[in-house]
Amino acid sequence: GNSVTQMEGPVTLSEEAFLTINCTYTATGYPSLFWYVQYPGEGLQLLLKATKADDKGSNKGFEATYRKETTSFHLEKGSVQVSDSAVYFCALSLGFGNEKLTFGTGTRLTIIP
Amino acid sequence: GAVVSQHPSWVICKSGTSVKIECRSLDFQATTMFWYRQFPKQSLMLMATSNEGSKATYEQGVEKDKFLINHASLTLSTLTVTSAHPEDSSFYICSAVDATNEKLFFGSGTQLSVL
Repeated sequence: GNSVTQMEGPVTLSEEAFLTINCTYTATGYPSLFWYVQYPGEGLQLLLKATKADDKGSNKGFEATYRKETTSFHLEKGSVQVSDSAVYFCALSLGFGNEKLTFGTGTRLTIIP
Repeated sequence: GAVVSQHPSWVICKSGTSVKIECRSLDFQATTMFWYRQFPKQSLMLMATSNEGSKATYEQGVEKDKFLINHASLTLSTLTVTSAHPEDSSFYICSAVDATNEKLFFGSGTQLSVL
């Protein structure tokens, strides 16, 4: 079956630090990969996505590259801000995002000034 | 942007009672909605897919008689946890597909605690 393994949190970093949140997956077929972010009191929001191997998704300074050879989709940001504090979910689907999603456990990120 | 309102955001109930959670799309019509739950330190797991005007499709291992889903209009789906027990305590979250552009939007979730 399909599954997503995500770096366990919580993660606490200082402002302007480099961020990596690891995500690996197993899937039948060729999945699309996603990172969702949930800010306090809000719904999950799509942060970025990639639909095929070697695609790079990017948004708000975050990046993730679809690596088929390592079945990974690690989330990175070069310089985090306090406003990036949130829970981040890695997910996959066998469609383009409006079908069933398989999620990781979520990683709580806290950025301290 | 499109908003999905989920209510209540948290609820505490006694064992044996039923709890209803609402999921509303505020500015778009949603022909399809999804219900997920997350136990502590586990993944968000899909429970069921709800299509307007038809019966929900439940994932394997999810009891349809316990988790009643109603999607009676294009803007509202409800999940009722019947005869709740402490093991049903979990975080429940809905998502909705905008029928005009196929984009997916999530509610903010409901934390259910059954005493």
